[in-house]
This record gives sequence, structure tokens and C-alpha cells, in this order.
Amino acid sequence: SQKIEQNSEALNIQEGKTATLTCNYTNYSPAYLQWYRQDPGRGPVFLLLIRENEKEKRKERLKVTFDTTLKQSLFHITASQPADSATYLCALPVSGGYNKLIFGAGTRLAVHP
Amino acid sequence: SQTIHQWPATLVQPVGSPLSLECTVEGTSNPNLYWYRQAAGRGLQLLFYSVGIGQISSEVPQNLSASRPQDRQFILSSKKLLLSDSGFYLCAWKRREGDTQYFGPGTRLTVL
Repeated sequence: SQKIEQNSEALNIQEGKTATLTCNYTNYSPAYLQWYRQDPGRGPVFLLLIRENEKEKRKERLKVTFDTTLKQSLFHITASQPADSATYLCALPVSGGYNKLIFGAGTRLAVHP
Repeated sequence: SQTIHQWPATLVQPVGSPLSLECTVEGTSNPNLYWYRQAAGRGLQLLFYSVGIGQISSEVPQNLSASRPQDRQFILSSKKLLLSDSGFYLCAWKRREGDTQYFGPGTRLTVL
């Protein structure tokens, strides 16, 4: 069955540095991958979608890469700020069911001043 | 623009009591609708999804049920709550032809 793995340990970085979060998946070749941000007690908010034929996608300080050979996506936040502190989730479409997504457990990012 | 509402925001219920959580979407038609549960420190677990009125797919066998009486209304119910039903319940919608899901603010349910 499909599995998504995100680093369960929190990532602590200093303000101004680049944060890099990893999403690995197995047993699947998804057509796209999405990243969401979730603040405590709130619903996830969509950030970026990258398709299988795209190697990299950018949005302001965010950059996502998608390596279908390694079955891995990297999510980068450059010039990180304390306001970037949140849990970041990656999500893939369920194999054979484009209506559904499977979410990783998320990685908590803490940016310290 | 589209908006998704969930209520109540928080709920404390005794074991064995019934449950009804409501989700409504504004500003779109024929959305796909989803119910997720998120246990503390855990990922999102898909409970139900719907591609149209009266069309419900269940992902996890449990004592919960879902209904979609109107195009933009999705209801999560239980006849008798269990302690294990505690969690953060999230409703989401997606355009029929789109890939991105948009989440509501969630309902924090505590079963005592």
C-alpha cells in the first residue's frame, strides 16, 4: 500500500536560514504532490502543487522539488521567519482514486529569532 | 470566493451520546466533500468522502456515518460516541476537476 514518510522530529532553525523538509513515498508513482501548512488548532492550508513532469516549483520564499526516481520531494523555505513556524504536510493522490489524497503525518518547523 | 464553515468549533460529549457535526461550503457548486479526523500529533485520516448528493464513500469502518443532504452540506454523525472518537475533525472540499483540497477550521471533539 502507499506510504508517505515525513520526519517526525521537529526541525529547529535560526531566523534567516533556509529550512528544508523532506517527504518520501513508496509503492506509488503519483501524478503530483502537494504541500500544506497547518497551524495549531487550525485546518491545513494549501501551499504548492508540483506535477510529475516538473522538477521544481517556486512561490515567493517557498521552493518545492520532486524527484520521481528517488520518490522524494523537498520543501524549502528561504530566509525563514518566526511566522513560518508551523507543521508542514505533504500529500499525494491515492492510487486509482483521483478524488482522494493521502497525507503525511507532517513535520513541525520552529524558527527561532 | 469560496468559504467553508464547520460547527461547532469545540464539543465535549459523554461516552454513548450522539454526535452531529456540520460542514457547509459557499461559493461553489458540485464540490467533492471530505471528512478527516486528526488525532493529537498524528496525520489526517480520511473518514468519508462524497462526490454528490447522497453519494457517500466510507474509508474506515467505525461507529461514524456521513450524509450529504444538499450539494454543499456534509454532516458527520454518530449514534453512540466512544472515547476513541476524540480528535480534531476537519471538513474539506475540492473542485470536481481540481487537485487541491480546501479545509475548514475544524471541530475539536472531546469524548469523556
